[in-house]
Amino acid sequence: DVKVTQSSRYLVKRTGEKVFLECVQDMDHENMFWYRQDPGLGLRLIYFSYDVKMKEKGDIPEGYSVSREKKERFSLILESASTNQTSMYLCASSSPMGHEQFFGPGTRLTVL
Amino acid sequence: GQNIDQPTEMTATEGAIVQINCTYQTSGFNGLFWYQQHAGEAPTFLSYNVLDGLEEKGRFSSFLSRSKGYSYLLLKELQMKDSASYLCAVRVTGGGNKLTFGTGTQLKVEL
Repeated sequence: DVKVTQSSRYLVKRTGEKVFLECVQDMDHENMFWYRQDPGLGLRLIYFSYDVKMKEKGDIPEGYSVSREKKERFSLILESASTNQTSMYLCASSSPMGHEQFFGPGTRLTVL
Repeated sequence: GQNIDQPTEMTATEGAIVQINCTYQTSGFNGLFWYQQHAGEAPTFLSYNVLDGLEEKGRFSSFLSRSKGYSYLLLKELQMKDSASYLCAVRVTGGGNKLTFGTGTQLKVEL
């Protein structure tokens, strides 16, 4: 059974804290993605990665950075969390030619 | 960029057929995708169209017209468990495998 896992289902942080969201996939996929999902705005792409140590900005990268040191792991970093980063964060992976993105269960982050 | 439109909400009756529309404007179109997302869960892949026409998969079918920038997802023999959000997404050439999603259509199936 293919799996994308995320480090936490729920996370509460304070404004200004550095936040790490971890995503791990066991499908040997080259492509990995970070989205945030907000009511009325849908899924929006923050960053994605085609391979280890490679990253590209998505549609809303401001305030975020990413790290991909190993193929199976893609981390999203909030350098200084702000209240407008309160959201559901979803990680996904896919093979380069595949049609399907496999999503993790999501992390609901609240920044107080 | 891409512009994707789909209705916000729809309601249908158990056993009936429902059609969820999606229109898009993009350059370099390279595929249209439908995902299903139940409340509190991750999206799951339903269908993919890159050529014009209908793709059927059990109770679900998806249609694409590239010239019109239009797709629909057809759900037959609706069941209560089909109550979910349905997300339309577009892929463009040169973008790798990244998708741009619409805001989703919340479908409610009633008795």
